Amino acid sequence: NAGVTQTPKFQVLKTGQSMTLQCAQDMNHEYMSWYRQDPGMGLRLIHYSVGAGITDQGEVPNGYNVSRSTTEDFPLRLLSAAPSQTSVYFCASSLDRSGNTIYFGEGSWLTVV
Amino acid sequence: KQEVTQIPAALSVPEGENLVLNCSFTDSAIYNLQWFRQDPGKGLTSLLLIQSSQREQTSGRLNASLDKSSGRSTLYIAASQPGDSATYLCAVLNTNAGKSTFGDGTTLTVKP
Repeated sequence: NAGVTQTPKFQVLKTGQSMTLQCAQDMNHEYMSWYRQDPGMGLRLIHYSVGAGITDQGEVPNGYNVSRSTTEDFPLRLLSAAPSQTSVYFCASSLDRSGNTIYFGEGSWLTVV
Repeated sequence: KQEVTQIPAALSVPEGENLVLNCSFTDSAIYNLQWFRQDPGKGLTSLLLIQSSQREQTSGRLNASLDKSSGRSTLYIAASQPGDSATYLCAVLNTNAGKSTFGDGTTLTVKP
């Protein structure tokens, strides 16, 4: 039972570098999303997708891009890393957007220096 | 804009005690409310999901209630154990945007 798999677990970037956080789920879920979790600010939605080929912005989308070419995969791209993007990133999925259990990945710890 | 508040932010209890965690939300137009557990360095694990038409859900020693009209939910943990130590978050799925709003969580410590 893989569930939601995120890679890498830990990453250190230099300011201005780009990278992609990978997220894959094997539950045939239509709805996938990316959150960042910061002390004192809780979980904030970055981008989400309601199905392959469809993405939309969440609460804090600036500096991030997403795409959804398949049902299984939902990568998050940091275009030009900034220290303000130092955070823990979580990918989540659910069957659809109308009220099913949300499953989270284990998180990706990103430090931008 | 939906706001979710969890009080207290931290709670420390002796083993065996029954306890209640609180979650309040400002907009009652929700599909459901979920309670999650988060262990240090880990992702969130769903504990209970209450649909907007339901009043409560139970799983083992956990019982969650929902009063949508007053914008409140409680998570009751019976006979607490040290293994229950974690951060507990609630999240509401809003009908108007189809997105979830999370509380900041209550960090629970159960002392042996």
